[in-house]
Amino acid sequence: EVQLLESGGDLVQPGGSLRLSCAASGFTFSNYAMSWVRQAPGKGLEWVSGIDSSGGDTHHADFVKGRFTNSRDNSKNTLYLQMNSLRAEDTAVYHCAKHQLGSRYSGADHWGQGTLVIVSS
Amino acid sequence: DIVMTQSPDSLAVSLGERATINCKSSRSVLYSSDNKSYLAWYQQKPGQPPKLLIYWASTRESGVPDRFSGSGSGTDFTLTISSLQAEDVAVYYCQQYYSLPFTFGGGTKVEIK
Repeated sequence: EVQLLESGGDLVQPGGSLRLSCAASGFTFSNYAMSWVRQAPGKGLEWVSGIDSSGGDTHHADFVKGRFTNSRDNSKNTLYLQMNSLRAEDTAVYHCAKHQLGSRYSGADHWGQGTLVIVSS
Repeated sequence: DIVMTQSPDSLAVSLGERATINCKSSRSVLYSSDNKSYLAWYQQKPGQPPKLLIYWASTRESGVPDRFSGSGSGTDFTLTISSLQAEDVAVYYCQQYYSLPFTFGGGTKVEIK
């Protein structure tokens, strides 16, 4: 059974940093692209960042570019999102999602429950 | 960026009746080399993560009931629930994965009338 378990969410002050983790199990992690998608309280889904199966190619949404970094450790079956210079508008539940293929150009067929990030003073 | 526009924002349908949700992309998401539209539909129930229902615009994900169907190509897409069940109450999102950044529609809330 595919499982994705996010962790690392917390209350942080504006300008602060957090590192989110997504521990994957139940599938060959190194074969699949992964993404981070966030959802602000009461709002819709917002794609944040994607990474290919090898970790060699990443892409970030403009609103996090230069602040967030998506990475993975295939030896540990873990996806990461390093979040710096956090802003109030980054407050959201952050989900990791597994793509159907090694390429990000595919649907996301499994999602984690998410981890809550609150940016507030 | 490709803008995804869903309509309506919400709809109320009687049990057993048809629900139709529309999604329009600001540019075509049809990839000519494989003739596939890079469009997915997700269902999200309260307190749960999204669930993939449809990919390549019309291919049903394994385990998804056949009352869910997707149609359309290029820029205009539809998700149809042929006979609404109580467990289908949720918010539905379309997403394009043709061009980075991948973008979602604003969501359509489906309720029971």
